[in-house]
Amino acid sequence: RKEVEQDPGPFNVPEGATVAFNCTYSNSASQSFFWYRQDCRKEPKLLMSVYSSGNEDGRFTAQLNRASQYISLLIRDSKLSDSATYLCVVKSYNFNKFYFGSGTKLNVKP
Amino acid sequence: DVKVTQSSRYLVKRTGEKVFLECVQDMDHENMFWYRQDPGLGLRLIYFSYDVKMKEKGDIPEGYSVSREKKERFSLILESASTNQTSMYLCASSSPGSSTDTQYFGPGTRLTVL
Repeated sequence: RKEVEQDPGPFNVPEGATVAFNCTYSNSASQSFFWYRQDCRKEPKLLMSVYSSGNEDGRFTAQLNRASQYISLLIRDSKLSDSATYLCVVKSYNFNKFYFGSGTKLNVKP
Repeated sequence: DVKVTQSSRYLVKRTGEKVFLECVQDMDHENMFWYRQDPGLGLRLIYFSYDVKMKEKGDIPEGYSVSREKKERFSLILESASTNQTSMYLCASSSPGSSTDTQYFGPGTRLTVL
């Protein structure tokens, strides 16, 4: 079983739409949680950390449910520039290892 | 801004060649990582290092070795390249004591083994 599982998509949405991505993780002892964004043929870059109480950064909202081992990312008012692959990342308690989901591809259409 | 650099963006090698991929970070991070990324498989950890001269195997270490002689530099070595090692290789660094506690990636090396 993979440490982190995501729906690969693609999610094809019109500009202005609201879209949500989900991610589940298998290790209940996981320590930290993140969403990364990866553009085509580029390296992953941190989008936002995910905190237990939930957190928001502009149009982006991240939620964590430790009981269900579930992380989500909500993007409101989608822009063309949001088109990318979104990676769910979980950091383990031991050895500072990071586990990456395979990514969810988002295509925002005009 | 954290900067992680990798020695080559694109590399073409022949089967059986020894390949060196270099990674340098300028933020005095303790931890450094090597991943490979393949379509449908996501990022898979090859090796990581949490201190100079220290290394730990990741999930797919076979066919690879690493070297960390200086804190800022982490090298990935393919002793005898094979076609199934054609992939995108990404280096990352992190500092476990930092407030952001996350990884920063280099631009990647796209390696093709013929």
